[in-house]
Amino acid sequence: GNSVTQMEGPVTLSEEAFLTINCTYTATGYPSLFWYVQYPGEGLQLLLKATKADDKGSNKGFEATYRKETTSFHLEKGSVQVSDSAVYFCAAGSSGSARQLTFGSGTQLTVLP
Amino acid sequence: KAGVTQTPRYLIKTRGQQVTLSCSPISGHRSVSWYQQTPGQGLQFLFEYFSETQRNKGNFPGRFSGRQFSNSRSEMNVSTLELGDSALYLCASSLSGSGTQPYEQYFGPGTRLTVT
Repeated sequence: GNSVTQMEGPVTLSEEAFLTINCTYTATGYPSLFWYVQYPGEGLQLLLKATKADDKGSNKGFEATYRKETTSFHLEKGSVQVSDSAVYFCAAGSSGSARQLTFGSGTQLTVLP
Repeated sequence: KAGVTQTPRYLIKTRGQQVTLSCSPISGHRSVSWYQQTPGQGLQFLFEYFSETQRNKGNFPGRFSGRQFSNSRSEMNVSTLELGDSALYLCASSLSGSGTQPYEQYFGPGTRLTVT
């Protein structure tokens, strides 16, 4: 099955700093890749996705590029805000008919004003 | 369009009891998956249902079971509760049923289960 390795947290940044959260995956075939965000007391929200090599997913200033050669899907944002403070999860989707996401361990991001 | 809803949001049970959690997917979504989230194990896949059939199952004991109804609503049941079953249980729905189509899953707010 798939496995996802995610940068350990917590990560603390000042407002307007550059953010990178590393994510690498191991999979058979070419899984779809996702970043989800979880705010305190809530479920997971889909942040962005990429479905094939070299695809770039983007949303709300966040970006991630599907790199097949390095099996990576790193999350980046040029200028973080206090409201970006949350836990971020990288996930790989199973290939085939079944729907199953394999998640990384999550990275807690805190942005200070 | 309404999102994924889960009921109840919070639940406290005693060891040995059983519990049933409910999930209503986004309208038109036919795939429903369940995940368990704990601080120690993170997010782990429980099972997935599509068209009332369990299509995939994670590595959990048989005490964890589920079902899906004809309207795509799903329930999961945990019998003989253990302290270690305390977790946030998340339901997610997905539009696509085809293995060749990319998909994304949309999550509900979760049910927080505490076993004492």
